[in-house]
Amino acid sequence: GAVVSQHPSWVICKSGTSVKIECRSLDFQATTMFWYRQFPKQSLMLMATSNEGSKATYEQGVEKDKFLINHASLTLSTLTVTSAHPEDSSFYICSTRPLTAYGYTFGSGTRLTVV
Amino acid sequence: AQSVTQPDIHITVSEGASLELRCNYSYGATPYLFWYVQSPGQGLQLLLKYFSGDTLVQGIKGFEAEFKRSQSSFNLRKPSVHWSDAAEYFCAVATDSGGGADGLTFGKGTHLIIQP
Repeated sequence: GAVVSQHPSWVICKSGTSVKIECRSLDFQATTMFWYRQFPKQSLMLMATSNEGSKATYEQGVEKDKFLINHASLTLSTLTVTSAHPEDSSFYICSTRPLTAYGYTFGSGTRLTVV
Repeated sequence: AQSVTQPDIHITVSEGASLELRCNYSYGATPYLFWYVQSPGQGLQLLLKYFSGDTLVQGIKGFEAEFKRSQSSFNLRKPSVHWSDAAEYFCAVATDSGGGADGLTFGKGTHLIIQP
């Protein structure tokens, strides 16, 4: 089945710094990747859709200049949280678009803590 | 835009008892429907999905769900729960805007507690 590798699993950073999260599709080409955010004890919210070779599409209320998404290849999408603040502390998770029978394949998630 | 409602925030069930978690969606057509489970601090595991066809869907770990178009529902069931089923359960839907399936819209989740 499809496998998505997400790194890092957890990261602690200082307020004002930037953090990059990577999602790699290991055994297939992912032309589209979805990025979600989950605050503690809350549901997952779609942040943006990244498409290989084009600009990402952001959901309403998500700051595109703060959450930079790059999908430069068919196997790698990155999310960079710029000038992170404590309120950005969250669980970030990526997923691919469904491939026929498999449904969405999720990465294992990244827990970001901004101190 | 589509929406998903999971009316039960918490459900407590005795081990060995049956379980039903409710999910209702709002969308003009039939969306793709999913149930995911998440253990504390962990990622998501797909329990089952419905794209089309037979409205009773079998999943992993003994779970099943039934799509009822007339009620816009996709309730999750299990005949006998185990202590290891304690987790957060999310119902999710996706539509297809023409370029393939869109990102998922999740319900708020149902926290399942298993009593010994």
